[in-house]
Amino acid sequence: DGGITQSPKYLFRKEGQNVTLSCEQNLNHDAMYWYRQDPGQGLRLIYYSQIVNDFQKGDIAEGYSVSREKKESFPLTVTSAQKNPTAFYLCASRLTGTSAHEQYFGPGTRLTVT
Amino acid sequence: SQKIEQNSEALNIQEGKTATLTCNYTNYSPAYLQWYRQDPGRGPVFLLLIRENEKEKRKERLKVTFDTTLKQSLFHITASQPADSATYLCALGNYGGSQGNLIFGKGTKLSVKP
Repeated sequence: DGGITQSPKYLFRKEGQNVTLSCEQNLNHDAMYWYRQDPGQGLRLIYYSQIVNDFQKGDIAEGYSVSREKKESFPLTVTSAQKNPTAFYLCASRLTGTSAHEQYFGPGTRLTVT
Repeated sequence: SQKIEQNSEALNIQEGKTATLTCNYTNYSPAYLQWYRQDPGRGPVFLLLIRENEKEKRKERLKVTFDTTLKQSLFHITASQPADSATYLCALGNYGGSQGNLIFGKGTKLSVKP
């Protein structure tokens, strides 16, 4: 089955620790995205990547870092510099170069930092 | 700054009725608008895309309209069922610049009562 996976589903960390969230897709999509979702707020874009080895900051990139070494993978690191890291994190991908613009989302990772 | 608003946080309707959700935007000229469905604890799932030169789009029991003069989209679910209960997100996109990046609304939580 083609799709986009995120692991783990739930993640717990102590304050001051960095943590890396996994995102893998086998849809052969070029573009990948990381969003953060908080209660009562819309999805906010953290980072995005249109092609391997290239990525750009989104609206709320501070305290986060990403890498895009492979087309299939776009891991997100939540660093200790992120002031309020507890949230639901969503990864998405999109096929570029076509008229299709929909994004395909993974199941999400709920991160709790105490 | 760009702003996207969905008419209400929650909408309760009776099974069999038509649900109508509203998405308004300001300070933006989107090339297309998308609607997604999100179930609790899950990632959003794409439903429909409508482009700026299209007035209406249909898919089974779903209908979307797009009025670029009013800067508004309406999302209708006819003959609603309890299984339609979910949060519905609208998202705006453009072709140039940050291609494929979407601006999401906060969502409307729809509850269909039997």
